[in-house]
Amino acid sequence: AQSVTQLDSQVPVFEEAPVELRCNYSSSVSVYLFWYVQYPNQGLQLLLKYLSGSTLVKGINGFEAEFNKSQTSFHLRKPSVHISDTAEYFCAVSNTDKLIFGTGTRLQVFP
Amino acid sequence: EAGVTQFPSHSVIEKGQTVTLRCDPISGHDNLYWYRRVMGKEIKFLLHFVKESKQDESGMPNNRFLAERTGGTYSTLKVQPAELEDSGVYFCATDQTGLNTEAFFGQGTRLTVV
Repeated sequence: AQSVTQLDSQVPVFEEAPVELRCNYSSSVSVYLFWYVQYPNQGLQLLLKYLSGSTLVKGINGFEAEFNKSQTSFHLRKPSVHISDTAEYFCAVSNTDKLIFGTGTRLQVFP
Repeated sequence: EAGVTQFPSHSVIEKGQTVTLRCDPISGHDNLYWYRRVMGKEIKFLLHFVKESKQDESGMPNNRFLAERTGGTYSTLKVQPAELEDSGVYFCATDQTGLNTEAFFGQGTRLTVV
């Protein structure tokens, strides 16, 4: 069975500071990895995904994530956050048939 | 191009009542998924349609939940009778390939059972 762990339920950070949102997964088979973002009063939006190839994946809005197979991690990073990045972020895995999500990390960016 | 549309956006019903949620997929997307997020917890898979057929309904909580996708277009998810623990946000997602490599989500329906 697959599972996703997002250890940080909330991450407060000041504007222009770097941020890392952690994601670890467990799976006995190869998986696809995703980060989704949910802005206030909106649906889930795909931020980035790892399917194969380069382990460093770049997404929208300046975010990137690195797939680390040995540590079974897929942490999300941004070197300098903006107020507009305030949202909830979900890590997910899939072996194609369904998405399995973590519990989400609420990123709060302060001025 | 229109995205995935869900309605209503919010629904407040009393325990024991019936509620029907609707999802209109992106045109041409044969794969349609329902997910649910109970407050503070992870988003959980409910079921997967390929066109009008249920491919996987392993995540449906119990027989109070009925999902349909007549004609392979829009889908409905009916809860009858609703219980307090059914409260949460119900998301619909569609994917063209069925591989979940790029699933598009609707805004969700927030269901509150009182």
